[in-house]
Amino acid sequence: QKEVEQDPGPLSVPEGAIVSLNCTYSNSAFQYFMWYRQYSRKGPELLMYTYSSGNKEDGRFTAQVDKSSKYISLFIRDSQPSDSATYLCAMGWGGSQGNLIFGKGTKLSVKP
Amino acid sequence: SAVISQKPSRDICQRGTSLTIQCQVDSQVTMMFWYRQQPGQSLTLIATANQGSEATYESGFVIDKFPISRPNLTFSTLTVSNMSPEDSSIYLCSASGPVLTDTQYFGPGTRLTVL
Repeated sequence: QKEVEQDPGPLSVPEGAIVSLNCTYSNSAFQYFMWYRQYSRKGPELLMYTYSSGNKEDGRFTAQVDKSSKYISLFIRDSQPSDSATYLCAMGWGGSQGNLIFGKGTKLSVKP
Repeated sequence: SAVISQKPSRDICQRGTSLTIQCQVDSQVTMMFWYRQQPGQSLTLIATANQGSEATYESGFVIDKFPISRPNLTFSTLTVSNMSPEDSSIYLCSASGPVLTDTQYFGPGTRLTVL
């Protein structure tokens, strides 16, 4: 069983839809959770990070962490064509932030 | 957040040769890392580049194949040695700091094709 599982998609939605992206994990030692967005032929860009269970909102993006279920989600409201990208979840432990484990990424396409 | 640049952005190389990838950060950072991203796969950490000392390699990666330098707080290089087609991948540099709890920011990546 891999440490982090993420459905690779692809996921295609119409513009304006609410998008839900999810990852599950098996290692209860993970302490912090991140979402990165990666456009084609670009490096990953940090979108959201959180250290605790619950919700964290930033504009159209909401990150949700449920440590009891070992499940994290990223919600995108009012999705736009510019949101079309691959979304990677990442998790880590320890103080150095060096030990990040990434999901395979979900490819999202938002159609106008 | 730190701005990270990488050179070259892409390259096509012959089997048996070596390529050195450069990573430059626009501010002093504590940690620098090198990742590999193969098609359809997760980002895999190759090593942590330590300033002034040998890099710390992850399981499955060795210094002879992936020598790394970090001469100062803003610059690092990764060399892919004696390349084979299996080394074709995207290589990404990331950095965090100056505070140890800062999140990681990534460079644009180097797309390597080995023929």
